Amino acid sequence: DAMVIQNPRYQVTQFGKPVTLSCSQTLNHNVMYWYQQKSSQAPKLLFHYYDKDFNNEADTPDNFQSRRPNTSFCFLDIRSPGLGDAAMYLCATSRDRGLVSPLHFGNGTRLTVT
Amino acid sequence: AQTVTQSQPEMSVQEAETVTLSCTYDTSESDYYLFWYKQPPSRQMILVIRQEAYKQQNATENRFSVNFQKAAKSFSLKISDSQLGDAAMYFCAYRSWSEDTDKLIFGTGTRLQVFP
Repeated sequence: DAMVIQNPRYQVTQFGKPVTLSCSQTLNHNVMYWYQQKSSQAPKLLFHYYDKDFNNEADTPDNFQSRRPNTSFCFLDIRSPGLGDAAMYLCATSRDRGLVSPLHFGNGTRLTVT
Repeated sequence: AQTVTQSQPEMSVQEAETVTLSCTYDTSESDYYLFWYKQPPSRQMILVIRQEAYKQQNATENRFSVNFQKAAKSFSLKISDSQLGDAAMYFCAYRSWSEDTDKLIFGTGTRLQVFP
């Protein structure tokens, strides 16, 4: 089945130690998104790629970076994780930008910072 | 800026009964999409139903239907014949798109419990 796959499901990192979360998709969608979802809160968009075009949300901290080396893969890099970065990180894809295309989500990676 | 409000943190329903989840939103845009997503515990978020603002007819997907009131900026989800598998967190979401932005704005969610 075509899908959005996030690895790992659970990630533990130390305070200040860089960590990378990965997302892959077999849907061949043009747009890939990274959302941060803290406990009992709504998912919040960090940034998205439209093809190779990177779009950062204005309030996304500089500590968060992203890479999309090809259509299928997208990475979330947290350069110096703090305790406040502990959250579920959701990757999503959309066939195209615009209103019609729904988002398809992965299972998420739950990040713990010790 | 667009906002989405879900005023019911938790709801419960008995199996086979009907439940309605509320959602209101605020926007100055005339064309947009609204969505309901379901997030079961420890599982991925999946699309339940969507509604285009220009369509007056309420969307329906099997047991799921919406009551879209554009003037009131209200978008409620009705689940008929509730099943145990419907238990999940439900998020109402607004799709905002322009040349500068493409985002799905979520409400804070409603946790639905289904009792046998």
